[in-house]
Parts: sequence; C-alpha cells; structure tokens
Amino acid sequence: EAQVTQNPRYLITVTGKKLTVTCSQNMNHEYMSWYRQDPGLGLRQIYYSMNVEVTDKGDVPEGYKVSRKEKRNFPLILESPSPNQTSLYFCASKAPRVGNYGYTFGSGTRLTVV
Amino acid sequence: GENVEQHPSTLSVQEGDSAVIKCTYSDSASNYFPWYKQELGKRPQLIIDIRSNVGEKKDQRIAVTLNKTAKHFSLHITETQPEDSAVYFCAASRDQTGANNLFFGTGTRLTVIP
Repeated sequence: EAQVTQNPRYLITVTGKKLTVTCSQNMNHEYMSWYRQDPGLGLRQIYYSMNVEVTDKGDVPEGYKVSRKEKRNFPLILESPSPNQTSLYFCASKAPRVGNYGYTFGSGTRLTVV
Repeated sequence: GENVEQHPSTLSVQEGDSAVIKCTYSDSASNYFPWYKQELGKRPQLIIDIRSNVGEKKDQRIAVTLNKTAKHFSLHITETQPEDSAVYFCAASRDQTGANNLFFGTGTRLTVIP
C-alpha cells in the first residue's frame, strides 16, 4: 500500500530534550515536506526536500532541522524543543509532475513539549 | 512570501444545500491552487486543484473557480452530504507541481446538518 509513515503518533517530551520524528514513504517520491498544524493557523511548511541531499527552509524553520540522506526518509529533528513547538506535525511526499496529484500526507505526530 | 486568506472559518449548511469557501492570495506569480479536505483526526487529502490557465474545474459535486485578476479562488460543493463535514484548506503555490512552497489558508470547518 502506498503510504507515508510517521512515528511516533504521539509524543510528550520535556523542554530541551532532543527528539526526532521519523518519516518514510514507499512511493519513490522525490519531493518531501514537513508541515505543522496549529489551531487558527492552518498548515505551515517547516522544511521541504526536492531530492536526496537537497533541502530548503519553508515558512517556519526556526528550531527545526531535517536531513535527506535517502530518498524514502525525511526525519524532522528538534535539537532543543520548546513549548511553542507543541503542535500537530505532518510529513508529506509528492512526485514532481504536473497533474492531479497532490501531497500524500502521513497520519500526523502530535507533539507536546512541557 | 505568499499570504493566503480563507473565509469563512466555520460554515454550517443543511444537507442538500450548497457550500462555498473563498480564498484570496497575495502573490501574483502563484499559479497552482489545490484544495485539501481533513476529516476529524485524519490527514489532509487533496480533493481538487486548479492551475492558472483555467478558470473553472469540476469533479462531480465539487467545483473550483479561479479569478487571477482579482487573486481569488473558491470551492463550491453542491448537494452537500453529512460526509462532506470536515475542515477544508485552500493553498497556493508558484510551483506548478505544487510540491514546494505551498502556502495554506487557515481552514474552514464545514458542518453539514442532516
């Protein structure tokens, strides 16, 4: 089944404790992206990657890191999480072609930083 | 960067009636406009998209219109059904593939009353 898999689904952590949210897709998509969703703010892009070893900042990259060492994986790293990073995070992937193809989103990771 | 505004934030309609959600964007170079539907507790999913070379696109009960001059686009759902209840997000991008720099609106919570 074609999918984007995120782990964990839920995470509660303390301020300053480094964490990684993993994202893996099995569709051989070149494009991958991370979004955070907050009430009243919609979906805001954190980072995106157009291919292996190619990453770029989105709208709200502060406090986050990403890496794209393999095509299928695009982990999101919070080196020193803070309470304002409490949010619902979505990983998504897409093939780079024009057509009726949108992003395929993962199931989301609900992160709480206390 | 791009600024996408979406209205209304909540919308309630009787089953069978039509629903219209409107979005405006600020970047005149944007040329790809997708709409995503997010059911409660689930991931966003693409339902329809439109590119700047067309003014309207339909898919069964869903249609999207685009006015590039006025920089606004709208989602129209006819003969609404309870399963249409969800949060709908519009988005805009300069990238025809919609893969990167996709800016989302803040969402519209649609409730269809049986």
